[in-house]
Amino acid sequence: AQSVSQHNHHVILSEAASLELGCNYSYGGTVNLFWYVQYPGQHLQLLLKYFSGDPLVKGIKGFEAEFIKSKFSFNLRKPSVQWSDTAEYFCAVNARRGSNAGNNRKLIWGLGTSLAVNP
Amino acid sequence: GAGVSQSPRYKVAKRGQDVALRCDPISGHVSLFWYQQALGQGPEFLTYFQNEAQLDKSGLPSDRFFAERPEGSVSTLKIQRTQQEDSAVYLCASSLYNGLAGGPHLYNEQFFGPGTRLTVL
Repeated sequence: AQSVSQHNHHVILSEAASLELGCNYSYGGTVNLFWYVQYPGQHLQLLLKYFSGDPLVKGIKGFEAEFIKSKFSFNLRKPSVQWSDTAEYFCAVNARRGSNAGNNRKLIWGLGTSLAVNP
Repeated sequence: GAGVSQSPRYKVAKRGQDVALRCDPISGHVSLFWYQQALGQGPEFLTYFQNEAQLDKSGLPSDRFFAERPEGSVSTLKIQRTQQEDSAVYLCASSLYNGLAGGPHLYNEQFFGPGTRLTVL
């Protein structure tokens, strides 16, 4: 069965520190990869996504993630965090099976990482 | 509408009561998903619709859970005889994906609603 693991459940940083959140998945085929963010009191929103091409993808608010196929990883990074980055971060995977996989559109999620940035 | 909406935002039910949770997807979005998110956990897939067809219901935890999308737009998730373990946030997401070959991945992004927080006493 497919699974997603996020290594850090709680991270506390000071402003301007660098951030890296780990995400590994288990699935041998082609995948779409996502990072979603949930700010306090708000709904889930997409931070960035990888479908194909350049394995280094850039998202909103200065976030980026690198897909390393050999390591089944999709780690999220930001060079310098801000207090406003305090949120819950979720890694999610969708297994792609052919070009018309209508019956496999679901996302498999990690448990999430709670990030607190101190001003 | 501008985004996915869900109602009610909060629901308190007594154990054994039936509840119905509504989701209004983004207009024109073909795909609709329901997820369950327990406290401190990531979302767990429940079921998926493409238009009115329920293509995957493998995540529904029991036969007390039932979802429908009769006209291919609004969806309702119904939970019968609620139990305390049903307490969670129920998330709805919609996506443009239409199942056609040649570019489905372009429409794979799912847009989420605010969720309905269900508390079963």
